[in-house]
Amino acid sequence: EIVLTQSPGTLALSPGERATLSCRASQSVNSNYLAWYRQKPGQAPRLLIYAASSRAAGIPDRFSGSGSGTDFTLTISRLEPEDFAVFYCQLYVTSPPRLTFGGGTKVEIK
Amino acid sequence: DVQLVESGGGLIQPGGSLRLSCAASGFTVNTNYMTWVRQAPGQGLEWVSMIFSGGDTYYADSVKGRFSLSRDKSTNALSLQMNSLRPDDTGVYFCARVVVRLRDLTFSLDDWGRGTLVTVSS
Repeated sequence: EIVLTQSPGTLALSPGERATLSCRASQSVNSNYLAWYRQKPGQAPRLLIYAASSRAAGIPDRFSGSGSGTDFTLTISRLEPEDFAVFYCQLYVTSPPRLTFGGGTKVEIK
Repeated sequence: DVQLVESGGGLIQPGGSLRLSCAASGFTVNTNYMTWVRQAPGQGLEWVSMIFSGGDTYYADSVKGRFSLSRDKSTNALSLQMNSLRPDDTGVYFCARVVVRLRDLTFSLDDWGRGTLVTVSS
């Protein structure tokens, strides 16, 4: 079973700063199946990045994704107020078909 | 525009049953991959079940044998029948549309409903 580990658990930063979030898989995965989501309090998650590095429709360019194999990164170049939220990475596993989520990284105001 | 609206949540005693629905608009449920994801209070996201466009269904080990996923072509809706409910099934249940981009075989949950709260407690 593939496990996604996100780090850090909490990231305390100020608006305008750069955020770097990590997602590590327990074994090498297909980067086409790796996505990132942002979840604001009381809301549903929203897709930010799919295929490890492709921005979803309507997502501003301050969000970027990178990585391959076991190590993936979500970078937010300049934090906006709406980015103080929880971010999840997610993987589609093909055999048997299933989804798995990382434990999340909370970005909070410093 | 794509819209997903979940319903059917509520307070239920352990061992009871609930049926969640997810009404879709802006696309056809039967020709898409769909999934349910849940979130226990204060916790992270947990995958529950998925249905492929061809009708094959898949379940997390934690719900296998207790939950059943189906879709209704006439109402363009997805349903999750939940039996033998346990306190650890408590949480907000989200339905989501899965987009599979055939050109490069990418896979992501592009559209989400707001969720419906299920509370399993005596």
